[in-house]
Amino acid sequence: EAQVTQNPRYLITVTGKKLTVTCSQNMNHEYMSWYRQDPGLGLRQIYYSMNVEVTDKGDVPEGYKVSRKEKRNFPLILESPSPNQTSLYFCASSSGTGYGYTFGSGTRLTVV
Amino acid sequence: EDQVTQSPEALRLQEGESSSLNCSYTVSGLRGLFWYRQDPGKGPEFLFTLYSAGEEKEKERLKATLTKKESFLHITAPKPEDSATYLCAVQADSNYQLIWGAGTKLIIKP
Repeated sequence: EAQVTQNPRYLITVTGKKLTVTCSQNMNHEYMSWYRQDPGLGLRQIYYSMNVEVTDKGDVPEGYKVSRKEKRNFPLILESPSPNQTSLYFCASSSGTGYGYTFGSGTRLTVV
Repeated sequence: EDQVTQSPEALRLQEGESSSLNCSYTVSGLRGLFWYRQDPGKGPEFLFTLYSAGEEKEKERLKATLTKKESFLHITAPKPEDSATYLCAVQADSNYQLIWGAGTKLIIKP
């Protein structure tokens, strides 16, 4: 089944403790992206990648890092999480411009 | 500035009562307009891509149309399971990024 898999689905952590949210797609998509979704603010792009070793900032990159060492994986790293990073996170992938995105099921992160 | 505005913010309908959701956009060169459905706590689910004015696409009770300034998502004889937030996004021909609307929350009462 074609899908984007995120892990974990839920995560509660403490301020300052480094964490990684994994994202993997099995569709051989070149383009991958991370979003956060907050009530009243909609979907906001954090980082995106157009191919292996090519990443760029989205609208809200501060406090986040990404890497794209393999085509299928695009992990999101929070080096020192803060409470304002409490949010619902989505990974998405696409085969190219003009094509729809496939989204993962989401990761609900709470930073206390 | 590229932007997407969806209206209304929320829409309550009785089961079987047809209606339309609006997505107005401003973009410098449209590569594609996308409609998604999102259920609470879940990832957006892709519905349609529209590429040029006059294009229409259908899926079950949903029909999407496109003009040079806006798109409509028509819902015919909706059922309670059509309740969700419907998101619209546009992609400019200059890059990969999507510009998202805030969504319309649709509630279908039995």
